Amino acid sequence: AQKVTQAQTEISVVEKEDVTLDCVYETRDTTYYLFWYKQPPSGELVFLIRRNSFDEQNEISGRYSWNFQKSTSSFNFTITASQVVDSAVYFCALSENSGAGSYQLTFGKGTKLSVIP
Amino acid sequence: DTAVSQTPKYLVTQMGNDKSIKCEQNLGHDTMYWYKQDSKKFLKIMFSYNNKELIINETVPNRFSPKSPDKAHLNLHINSLELGDSAVYFCASSQVQTKNIQYFGAGTRLSVL
Repeated sequence: AQKVTQAQTEISVVEKEDVTLDCVYETRDTTYYLFWYKQPPSGELVFLIRRNSFDEQNEISGRYSWNFQKSTSSFNFTITASQVVDSAVYFCALSENSGAGSYQLTFGKGTKLSVIP
Repeated sequence: DTAVSQTPKYLVTQMGNDKSIKCEQNLGHDTMYWYKQDSKKFLKIMFSYNNKELIINETVPNRFSPKSPDKAHLNLHINSLELGDSAVYFCASSQVQTKNIQYFGAGTRLSVL
C-alpha cells in the first residue's frame, strides 16, 4: 500500500523567512508521480507541481522550489522569502495507477503553514 | 470559466435524508474522482470513474454511489445520511495526456444534523 508522510503538522515562520515542508513516501511501484497541492483558508485545492519517478531534477518556480530524492523517498518543498499569502495547508500526494487510466491520489495529512507579518 | 464546478457549495441536511452533489468539468478530461476531506483535513479517495469503469475505494459505504450521465459529469449520491458523513467533498478530473494532474472543484461542505 502506498503511504505519504508529512511529519510537520504545523509550522509558523516570520515573513521573509525561508521554510521547507517535508514529504516522505512509500510505494512498491517503479513508476509513480508525486504532487504538491496548496489549500488556502478559502478551501480550494490548488495544484502546484507534479514530478514523475524518473525525473530527479530539482525544480524552481519563482519563490518555490522542490527537491526530489529517490534514494531517501523524499519530495521536499521550499518556499523562499515567505509571504503572508503563503499561509495555507500544503499537501504532498502520491499517484498510483488504479487501472483504466485512473490515477488515484494518496495524500499526506498536510502541513499547516502560518506566515506571520 | 470554472474548470471543475461543484454544486452546491454548502449542504445542510438531517440524518437519514438522501442527497446529491453535482460535479461538472469542462476540461475535456476522461477521468473523474471524488475525495472526502474530514474535519482533520485528511483527504481520501472515494471513487474514480474512467470510460464507464468505476473504481471504488473499499472503505466507502455502499450508501455512497457515483453516477456519470456523460464524460463531463460525475455526481455523488448519498443515501441515509449519517452524522459521520459530515465533511468536505471534492470532485476532481484528470487526463493522461496532461500528465494525470488532477484539477479540483471548490468543494462541497456537507453538514448532517
